[in-house]
Amino acid sequence: VQLVESGGGLVKPGGSLRLSCAASGFTFSDYYMSWIRQAPGKGLEWISYISRSGGTIYYADSVKGRFTISRDNAQNSLYLQMNSLRDDDTAVYYCARDKSTSWYPDFDYWGLGTLVTVSS
Amino acid sequence: DIQMTQSPSSLSASVGDRVTITCRASQTIKTYLDWYQQKPGKAPKLLIYVASTLESGVPSRFSGSGSGTDFTLTISSLQPEDFATYYCQQSYDTPYTFGQGTKLEIK
Repeated sequence: VQLVESGGGLVKPGGSLRLSCAASGFTFSDYYMSWIRQAPGKGLEWISYISRSGGTIYYADSVKGRFTISRDNAQNSLYLQMNSLRDDDTAVYYCARDKSTSWYPDFDYWGLGTLVTVSS
Repeated sequence: DIQMTQSPSSLSASVGDRVTITCRASQTIKTYLDWYQQKPGKAPKLLIYVASTLESGVPSRFSGSGSGTDFTLTISSLQPEDFATYYCQQSYDTPYTFGQGTKLEIK
């Protein structure tokens, strides 16, 4: 199992970025997926969750209306479109696989993360 | 939102010690509680899920217990590779919140 995030970088406040997570080593379409972030020196914050088909999605209030999670099962990829970025969105962004088959996620595989820095 | 509070926030211990970290939820989460280990510069690693089930490949010196609002992670005999930060996370309801972390350091 491998998850590889990409797309991070330096962006100005109010700007946009699109993160990608390339999955391999498992049947991607069988698993729910999430994005979780970690600000520098801080703890973990779950931010979004998507069902296997993409038909059910959840967001944390901190990103709702600004971030959009999506997936392409044919391409084994997970995405996070981030708009209206703010300074406090600066973090390492991880994609994570949910090993459960219910709506009670257990994140058993994580990518290495991609750093998003929002600064003028 | 369900608030997760870990204690202590930091802990100094020696190799061979038995260590317990606690996690309290602001409301019942039944047994929907996971524990993760994170080392500097690395992604978190799942140790325990649904409060007490050991993830495959995780050493048996790690154990979890609890239900409702109070949970514990115990390391029965600390090994050098166990010095890290530990997080609890509730998977009962969105947003899936984490505790603030417990940093386990070498005494």
